[in-house]
Amino acid sequence: SQKIEQNSEALNIQEGKTATLTCNYTNYSPAYLQWYRQDPGRGPVFLLLIRENEKEKRKERLKVTFDTTLKQSLFHITASQPADSATYLCALPHGSSNTGKLIFGQGTTLQVKP
Amino acid sequence: DAGVTQSPTHLIKTRGQQVTLRCSPKSGHDTVSWYQQALGQGPQFIFQYYEEEERQRGNFPDRFSGHQFPNYSSELNVNALLLGDSALYLCASSHAGTSPYNEQFFGPGTRLTVL
Repeated sequence: SQKIEQNSEALNIQEGKTATLTCNYTNYSPAYLQWYRQDPGRGPVFLLLIRENEKEKRKERLKVTFDTTLKQSLFHITASQPADSATYLCALPHGSSNTGKLIFGQGTTLQVKP
Repeated sequence: DAGVTQSPTHLIKTRGQQVTLRCSPKSGHDTVSWYQQALGQGPQFIFQYYEEEERQRGNFPDRFSGHQFPNYSSELNVNALLLGDSALYLCASSHAGTSPYNEQFFGPGTRLTVL
């Protein structure tokens, strides 16, 4: 069955450094991959989407890569700030087409220390 | 422009009871999805409604049912509550025509506690 894995251990980094979060998936080839941010007690907020034919996507200080051979996406936050502290979730569509169903990883909590 | 709204914010029920959660999608959105998020886990897809019909369903028992109204708002009903149903219930909306990649706009969630 389709499986998504994110590092369940919290990532602690110093302000100004680059945070790198990993999302690995198995048993299928998604047409795209999404990243969300979730703050405690709040709903996830959509950040970025990358399609299967795109290697890299950028948005301000965020960068996402998508390696369909390794079945992995990396999510980078450059020049990190304490306000970036949150849980980051990756999500993929169920199956290879847009069926309307997303499968989420368990999320990685990022803590940026001043 | 109001985003996705959910009610109530918090709810406490006892085992065996029934609960109804409500969601209003973001303005202009016609598709509503419901997710269950246990503590420390990612959201799990329950089902999705489009044009007042259930379009997709996740691996949840029939105790979980829903409805979408003509104004696109939606309800999630859970019968015969179990302790394991305690979770944050998230509603997400999207527009079928302009969101081919299914970007979801989430509400703040309803925290359900079953005692």
